[in-house]
Amino acid sequence: GNSVTQMEGPVTLSEEAFLTINCTYTATGYPSLFWYVQYPGEGLQLLLKATKADDKGSNKGFEATYRKETTSFHLEKGSVQVSDSAVYFCALSPTPNKSNDYKLSFGAGTTVTVRA
Amino acid sequence: GAGVSQSPRYKVAKRGQDVALRCDPISGHVSLFWYQQALGQGPEFLTYFQNEAQLDKSGLPSDRFFAERPEGSVSTLKIQRTQQEDSAVYLCASTRGLDEQYFGPGTRLTVT
Repeated sequence: GNSVTQMEGPVTLSEEAFLTINCTYTATGYPSLFWYVQYPGEGLQLLLKATKADDKGSNKGFEATYRKETTSFHLEKGSVQVSDSAVYFCALSPTPNKSNDYKLSFGAGTTVTVRA
Repeated sequence: GAGVSQSPRYKVAKRGQDVALRCDPISGHVSLFWYQQALGQGPEFLTYFQNEAQLDKSGLPSDRFFAERPEGSVSTLKIQRTQQEDSAVYLCASTRGLDEQYFGPGTRLTVT
């Protein structure tokens, strides 16, 4: 079945540091890949996504590239801010043309704390 | 516009009680998903509706869990005879089609 493995946390960084959260996946075909973020006290929000190999998703200074050869979708940000403190989840959904199978499979989440 | 809403936000149930959790999806969203998120874990899929049809319930952990969406809008997740292992955050998400799933704030269920 489909599965996602992401870097365990927690991760603590200073402001303006570089952030990387590793994510690898197991799936058949060509899944879509996502990063979701959960800020303290809030619900899950989509941060970025990529739907095919070599696509780069980006948003709010975060980037992730869909690497089919390494089955990875690592999240990066060059200079984090205190407001980036949150829990980050890597997720996949199956190949889009597989009927009736749109459920997301999530990693366990990585808690990131950015200190001023 | 309004997002996905869930109620109640918090629920404490004694072991053996039945509970009902409600999800109001974004208006016009055809698809609705329920997920269970245990403490410190990622969400796990429970069930999926397209309009009123429950197309996938493979993630429901036992026959104590039941979900419905009778008019293709509001959905209710019911858990009968709650057990301590049912303690988790229950998340609802909706989507117009095959695109981004929009999540509600979740219902935190604690079974004592």
